[in-house]
Amino acid sequence: EADIYQTPRYLVIGTGKKITLECSQTMGHDKMYWYQQDPGMELHLIHYSYGVNSTEKGDLSSESTVSRIRTEHFPLTLESARPSHTSQYLCASSEEGLEPPLHFGNGTRLTVT
Amino acid sequence: AQKITQTQPGMFVQEKEAVTLDCTYDTSDPSYGLFWYKQPSSGEMIFLIYQGSYDQQNATEGRYSLNFQKARKSANLVISASQLGDSAMYFCAMREDSFNAGNMLTFGGGTRLMVKP
Repeated sequence: EADIYQTPRYLVIGTGKKITLECSQTMGHDKMYWYQQDPGMELHLIHYSYGVNSTEKGDLSSESTVSRIRTEHFPLTLESARPSHTSQYLCASSEEGLEPPLHFGNGTRLTVT
Repeated sequence: AQKITQTQPGMFVQEKEAVTLDCTYDTSDPSYGLFWYKQPSSGEMIFLIYQGSYDQQNATEGRYSLNFQKARKSANLVISASQLGDSAMYFCAMREDSFNAGNMLTFGGGTRLMVKP
């Protein structure tokens, strides 16, 4: 079973602040993902990574950026938070192959005031 | 066009009864996978069950089974003997394999299941 951790669990921050949402996994998975989810709605892929130094944008355009300097760490950064960024952000990872499911962290619920 | 459609925004089921959550999908990729996830109010996503497009048998995992009808492009989740703890959002998701080396998923809009005691 994958262990994947996200911090903080909840974050309330003012407009214009820079924030970084942390995501770490201990399973050595090369593939990692960030999804954005508005309350009660579907998840949308915003970033993914195939491995160290590999990052790509997902289907949903996002003003956030990501980095992948270490296998286990995939942080997401917003340079200047806005109320439109209020959402839940879910990090996930998966093993190699097509069948393994995504393993998700508990998510970060971000509110920008 | 929506790739994953879940037509039931909300459903009630009596405790101990079975319930079916609908999911239809749209793809021209001959190789794909279908997943169901459960999301309790706490927000985490819990993997329930997987069906590959070439699998001959319907997938089963404990009280969960997937009714896979390939010609109809449907992948309904059946939960038997509902429990109060089954109350949650349920998401159907699809992975299309031909141009997707990253195992990325497309999600449906979800169905909120409420189990009545």
